[in-house]
Amino acid sequence: DAKTTQPTSMDCAEGRAANLPCNHSTISGNEYVYWYRQIHSQGPQYIIHGLKNNETNEMASLIITEDRKSSTLILPHATLRDTAVYYCIVRPLNNAGNMLTFGGGTRLMVKP
Amino acid sequence: DAGVIQSPRHEVTEMGQEVTLRCKPISGHNSLFWYRQTMMRGLELLIYFNNNVPIDDSGMPEDRFSAKMPNASFSTLKIQPSEPRDSAVYFCASSTGTSFGEQFFGPGTRLTVL
Repeated sequence: DAKTTQPTSMDCAEGRAANLPCNHSTISGNEYVYWYRQIHSQGPQYIIHGLKNNETNEMASLIITEDRKSSTLILPHATLRDTAVYYCIVRPLNNAGNMLTFGGGTRLMVKP
Repeated sequence: DAGVIQSPRHEVTEMGQEVTLRCKPISGHNSLFWYRQTMMRGLELLIYFNNNVPIDDSGMPEDRFSAKMPNASFSTLKIQPSEPRDSAVYFCASSTGTSFGEQFFGPGTRLTVL
């Protein structure tokens, strides 16, 4: 699977948009971008995934650059409960069993 | 659905003892994963099963670790004998096994080996 690079930590003010970047410059054509987050003392939680088009769901939006070498996860109105470690993962579509390789992630701190 | 269930939530044992961690996946999911998380190494995949069959156990650290899935609703991860360096949070996750299937994680078992 392609490697990803994320900032170690970020801060965001409550109520503002949190934009979490991820570089995946070696991504190949059949690899999807997945985002998970892990709130303290809990198991990771799926957020969103995409291939090349921008995606939006009730939790977040995913913006993928045209060359697919980077992406941004957007939490439009961050709350204190969004404080967590956010993991960007790239995975082939035909990855048997949906194996995920977690990197270090970005520790997002939402502040009042 | 109650989600992925893991037991025990906390386990404290002494070095050399056998430890068994248990997982009940979400009903209808046919893929099951065991992960280990430590501060030093982050979240690591140990082994995963598809339709109760172990598919990839390359992440299992050594022969002291073993995992079984006797049926679709139950899996165990056993460490025998346990060592202090096995102290970690162990997560179980399940998914539908389709190409897009997201993984649903359990609450984890915090293992401390003294």
